[in-house]
Amino acid sequence: GENVEQHPSTLSVQEGDSAVIKCTYSDSASNYFPWYKQELGKRPQLIIDIRSNVGEKKDQRIAVTLNKTAKHFSLHITETQPEDSAVYFCAASLGGGSNYKLTFGKGTLLTVNP
Amino acid sequence: GAGVSQSPSNKVTEKGKDVELRCDPISGHTALYWYRQRLGQGLEFLIYFQGNSAPDKSGLPSDRFSAERTGESVSTLTIQRTQQEDSAVYLCASSLAPGQGAGGYTFGSGTRLTVV
Repeated sequence: GENVEQHPSTLSVQEGDSAVIKCTYSDSASNYFPWYKQELGKRPQLIIDIRSNVGEKKDQRIAVTLNKTAKHFSLHITETQPEDSAVYFCAASLGGGSNYKLTFGKGTLLTVNP
Repeated sequence: GAGVSQSPSNKVTEKGKDVELRCDPISGHTALYWYRQRLGQGLEFLIYFQGNSAPDKSGLPSDRFSAERTGESVSTLTIQRTQQEDSAVYLCASSLAPGQGAGGYTFGSGTRLTVV
C-alpha cells in the first residue's frame, strides 16, 4: 500500500519568514495530494490540493509543488503569521479511481513566533 | 446538513465495555471514511464506504472494530470490549464520489474516546 513520509515533524519560524514542509510517497500511481491544517483541538481542514497533471499550485500565501519523478511534494507558506501555527498533514491517494482512501503523513507542528 | 456531524463529542468508558460512535455525513457525499488519531499522532485509516460498494475495511486494527453504513447516510463505528489503547479521537469524513469534483474530505469534529 501507499506510504507517506513527512518532514520535519516540528518547525519553528519567525513571523514573516517562509515555511516549507516536505512529503514523499511510495505509490507511483497516486495522483491526488491534499494538505490539511489542524489547529489545536479542532478538525483537520483542507487548505490546498494538487493533482498529478500539474507541477505547482498557488493560493495567496500558500503553494504546493509536486515532483512526480521523485515522488515528492511540498507545502510552502510565505509571510507566515501567528495564525498559521497548527499541525499540517500531507496525504496521497489514487483519486479518481474506485479507491479514494487517503494515506496521511504523520504531521508537522508549525509554530510561528511573533 | 451543513457539515459532517459526529456524536458523541466525548465518551469515557470502562475497559471491556462496547462503544458506538456515530457519523452523519454531508448530504450528497457518497464516500465516508473513519480515521483514528491518537494523541500527538497522525491520522490512521480505519474504513471507507463508497456508495453501495463493499467497504474497504483494510485499516481496522482488530476484529473488535466494525462499522456499518446505511445507504449513503449515517455510519456507526462500533468497538467491542474496549481496551486502553483504543483511546483516541475518532474522526469521520465524507467526500463526493471520485470523479465528481474536488476530492477533498470534509472532516467532522471527532469523538474523543477515553477508556479507563
